[in-house]
Formats: sequence, structure tokens, C-alpha cells
Amino acid sequence: DAGITQSPRHKVTETGTPVTLRCHQTENHRYMYWYRQDPGHGLRLIHYSYGVKDTDKGEVSDGYSVSRSKTEDFLLTLESATSSQTSVYFCAISESPGAYNNEQFFGPGTRLTVL
Amino acid sequence: AQTVTQSQPEMSVQEAETVTLSCTYDTSENNYYLFWYKQPPSRQMILVIRQEAYKQQNATENRFSVNFQKAAKSFSLKISDSQLGDTAMYFCAFMKARANAGNMLTFGGGTRLMVKP
Repeated sequence: DAGITQSPRHKVTETGTPVTLRCHQTENHRYMYWYRQDPGHGLRLIHYSYGVKDTDKGEVSDGYSVSRSKTEDFLLTLESATSSQTSVYFCAISESPGAYNNEQFFGPGTRLTVL
Repeated sequence: AQTVTQSQPEMSVQEAETVTLSCTYDTSENNYYLFWYKQPPSRQMILVIRQEAYKQQNATENRFSVNFQKAAKSFSLKISDSQLGDTAMYFCAFMKARANAGNMLTFGGGTRLMVKP
């Protein structure tokens, strides 16, 4: 299994509070991604990173920010959590966009509940 | 923008039988990749099989095979000799072939498969 951990694994918070989710990898992969999973929608991309301090928006980026100060860590921040951000969050990594090594490996997920 | 549609929210199959999960997609890209991921109750996302759009031959991985119809933009997954451990959510996903940027996956809504003993 690819070395990807997410912390925390479960979190319950209140509307309006800031929340930071952490993704840590030991594979030295260049690309990292944050997805959210909601019933009926599969997984949707929030933000991704293509290197240290290089990030870009995904499909559902409103209300989220990210940071990557080290290759191994990719942080997802909800500045002011809302109930619509209740979801399961997955981190993923990939080595490169190349044809034979573009597989994305997923972390175990974080279940976030915003009350 | 790409869209991926899985029209079967739930399916069931008897153990040892064969089942086919459907997936259609919409894109204007000519070069891309298609994937099937499995998500068991543990919530872990597991890659089942991958297809490169430029390859005409359908991908096969043991009991899993695909029927890739590029003109029809269809990508179905066939599971042969179904096992109880195949019970899971299955997601179809699309990825553009991009040489120098992150490869974002676009997922379908998923099909929940139940294998019955």
C-alpha cells in the first residue's frame, strides 16, 4: 500500500469554526490531491498540488484553501466550516502525469461533520 | 468539462455469476484514460482496472474486464465468477492525458454492488 496517512480520521465541529485536514505521504510523489465524497456525486476534486508551493483549484474549491510547504504534506483548510462541507475527504497522490505512472493512490479518508 | 455517468445506483449478483456495470462519459478529448475503482465498506479506494483510450484492446485483470467503446463513449466493467469480497461501491473515472500538470480524475456517482451467497 502507498504510504498515505490522513489526520484526523474523524472530526465533528461547529459551523463557523476553522478546520485543517492533513495529508502526509512517504512516497515522495510530486502530485497531491484533495477530493470530497458525497452520496450520488462520487468523488469531486477540491484542490491539487503539482509541487511545493504550487497549487491549483479543482471543481469544488469554494470555501477551501490548501497549502504545501513540504513535498510530503498537503493541508486542506476550511476557513469557516459550513454544514454543506460535511463530507468524507480523501487525499490522493500520483507520481507524474506520464502514461504508465499516473495512477492515483488514495488515503484512508477523513469523515468531517459540521453541526 | 468532462462528465461521467453511472446509470445503475445499485446492483446485485449471485456468487459465482457474472455482472456488468455500466459507465458512459462525455468528453471532447481524444487522448485520455478510464478507470474503475472499488470502494469496500472500509472506505479505501482501490484501483481495479485501467484503460488507455488509444488502445483498442480491452483491458483485463484476472476476473475483471472492460468493454471500451470509444465512439459510443462507453466503458463497462464485467466481473466474472463474482465473489463475496466483490461487494463494494464501484466508481468509473475519467482522466485527461496531460503531459505537464496534475491528472485530475472525474468520477461517476457510483454503483453499489451486492454479491449474494
